[in-house]
Amino acid sequence: QITLKESGPTLVKPTQTLTLTCTFSGFSLSTNGVGVGWIRQPPGKALEWLALIYWDDDKRYSPSLKSRLTITKDTSKNQVVLTMTNMDPVDTATYYCVHRLGSLIVRYHDRFDYWGQGTLVTVSS
Amino acid sequence: DIQMTQSPSSLSASVGDRVTITCRASQIISSYLNWYQQKPGKAPKLLIYAASSLHSGVPSRFSGSGSGTDFTLTISSLQPEDFATYYCQQSYSAWTFGQGTKVEIK
Repeated sequence: QITLKESGPTLVKPTQTLTLTCTFSGFSLSTNGVGVGWIRQPPGKALEWLALIYWDDDKRYSPSLKSRLTITKDTSKNQVVLTMTNMDPVDTATYYCVHRLGSLIVRYHDRFDYWGQGTLVTVSS
Repeated sequence: DIQMTQSPSSLSASVGDRVTITCRASQIISSYLNWYQQKPGKAPKLLIYAASSLHSGVPSRFSGSGSGTDFTLTISSLQPEDFATYYCQQSYSAWTFGQGTKVEIK
């Protein structure tokens, strides 16, 4: 059974750096084809993909946020960490981590079949 | 970036109705289109992947079709638990979501 759970601060101040951890079970991030990503959703708004890391440590970032994001993995701890610098009130959102299932060859052509419960991060002074 | 446009943004329907939601991509994405359902306060759930494949455990009243740029999610007979917001998502090049379609009780 695959589960993912996000953890991190619920409140950050503008200009601070946000660090979120996704702790997962039921799969290994060293298995070919596996990936873990981050998606966010501002209150009342649509979903936005942020970043994804693959089993071989290949990383992909949203072009609009690339300069602010870093995604890393710790396979031994079954964790993926997302950092986002220079936080702003517009970054207030629920942040989800997701399990990627898809092609072994192409770095997309896939789906997010398991989601964490999400964690609400508020950016305010 | 590939843009995804859903229509309508919201709809009202009754239990038992047939409901259709459309999603259009800004460029050809083959069949790399997924659909998700989200209920208030909950994480999205995968319904349909690769345009027409039903995810494990999803009721057969849900179906998807389309390829290229135009896609459809159909609920053949709306049930009370289907009132939710539905999102399409392309996975042809990176990942982008539509703006969502809220299905409300009529």
